[in-house]
Amino acid sequence: SQQGEEDPQALSIQEGENATMNCSYKTSINNLQWYRQNSGRGLVHLILIRSNEREKHSGRLRVTLDTSKKSSSLLITASRAADTASYFCATYPPTGANSKLTFGKGITLSVRP
Amino acid sequence: DTEVTQTPKHLVMGMTNKKSLKCEQHMGHRAMYWYKQKAKKPPELMFVYSYEKLSINESVPSRFSPECPNSSLLNLHLHALQPEDSALYLCASSQVAEGETQYFGPGTRLLVL
Repeated sequence: SQQGEEDPQALSIQEGENATMNCSYKTSINNLQWYRQNSGRGLVHLILIRSNEREKHSGRLRVTLDTSKKSSSLLITASRAADTASYFCATYPPTGANSKLTFGKGITLSVRP
Repeated sequence: DTEVTQTPKHLVMGMTNKKSLKCEQHMGHRAMYWYKQKAKKPPELMFVYSYEKLSINESVPSRFSPECPNSSLLNLHLHALQPEDSALYLCASSQVAEGETQYFGPGTRLLVL
């Protein structure tokens, strides 16, 4: 069963604009991760944010986490055509036996040159 | 070396064939994963190996048989597959199987005829 639910499901923007993608989840987490996948390729890890963190940055990426609302957002600033990809949030539960990373349905981002 | 390699890149097999998918990492990671991904869907976890022992089997049909010969290698043996098993098979690894960043290979695109 999917834990994360991304919003919107598809996003189309012009190069240079900012892209904001949201993820909501249902149960408590140990951490939340964002991954990018170019068409038909493997996933690339972007950022991991732990449940006791509120915001993390990596280059043009900014991720926030609001555990009270069970939601996270991924902001890509000054987007480029190369950012065109599918983006997945994935949640990891509080550590326990058979804990696993659960992916949301994904967001398709298209950046127009 | 931060790469996970997978062979072959593409595989076409009949329903009576036996084939194997291979995955290799040299990052010293002690957790390795197999995922199945259908088009426009998120990855679905199949198996997790932790310290070379199978720790999670997500009720995968027995026609898929994983093997972890050593800490760097992960195989997925395929036998008597069905056309609905056609998908992208992704291998991933992480330092340990406790919610850490996962590093994905490029995947094997499998077509079952």
